[in-house]
Amino acid sequence: DIQMTQSPSSLSASIGDRVTITCRASQDIRNNLAWYQQKPGKVPNLLIYTASTLQSGVPSRFSGSGSGTDFTLTISGLQPEDVATYYCQKYNSVPPTFGPGTRLEIK
Amino acid sequence: QLQLQESGPGLVKPSETLSLTCTVSGGSINNFFWTWIRQPPGKGLEWIGDIYYRGDTNYNPSLKSRVTLSVDTSRNQFSLKLTSVTAADTAVYYCARGTGPYTRWGQGTLVTVSS
Repeated sequence: DIQMTQSPSSLSASIGDRVTITCRASQDIRNNLAWYQQKPGKVPNLLIYTASTLQSGVPSRFSGSGSGTDFTLTISGLQPEDVATYYCQKYNSVPPTFGPGTRLEIK
Repeated sequence: QLQLQESGPGLVKPSETLSLTCTVSGGSINNFFWTWIRQPPGKGLEWIGDIYYRGDTNYNPSLKSRVTLSVDTSRNQFSLKLTSVTAADTAVYYCARGTGPYTRWGQGTLVTVSS
């Protein structure tokens, strides 16, 4: 099975900062990668799919890039409502594994 | 608008079988895959498996020996059974549509395994 890793596992940033989260796949998954945001006590919300396509309704400060094995989620101008845990997920094959998550806090 | 709702017991005894149902409303269960995902308290997301409306299934290898998914198209429902549960199976269980990425999720239901 393809393994997904994320770094960092947690980070603290200031309002307005540019934040980058990295996701790595153990094998080539082309661009079959999604990013989700999960706020405390809430259902995960799809932010980005096919590595870089912004889901409808998601603020444009969120962006994704990468292909193959290395991917990034960037938040350009951190807002208070972005406090959450972020998960990547590969979905090109079974099992569609999630990364372990990155917890984002405000400094 | 499509909605998914999980239902089932919130408390299951160790060694027993966890059974959950996801009811789909506002749309048909036909022509889609349907998925179960779980999240232990304070931990990450784990894909359990998915089922096509015709009954074809895929399971997480780590759970395959204990999981059975089924679908009832007449009721617009699909179900999860997890046997021989332990405390490690305590989690919020979500149902979702598709094989990923998931745009439609249920609200999740907490299942606690305890005597």
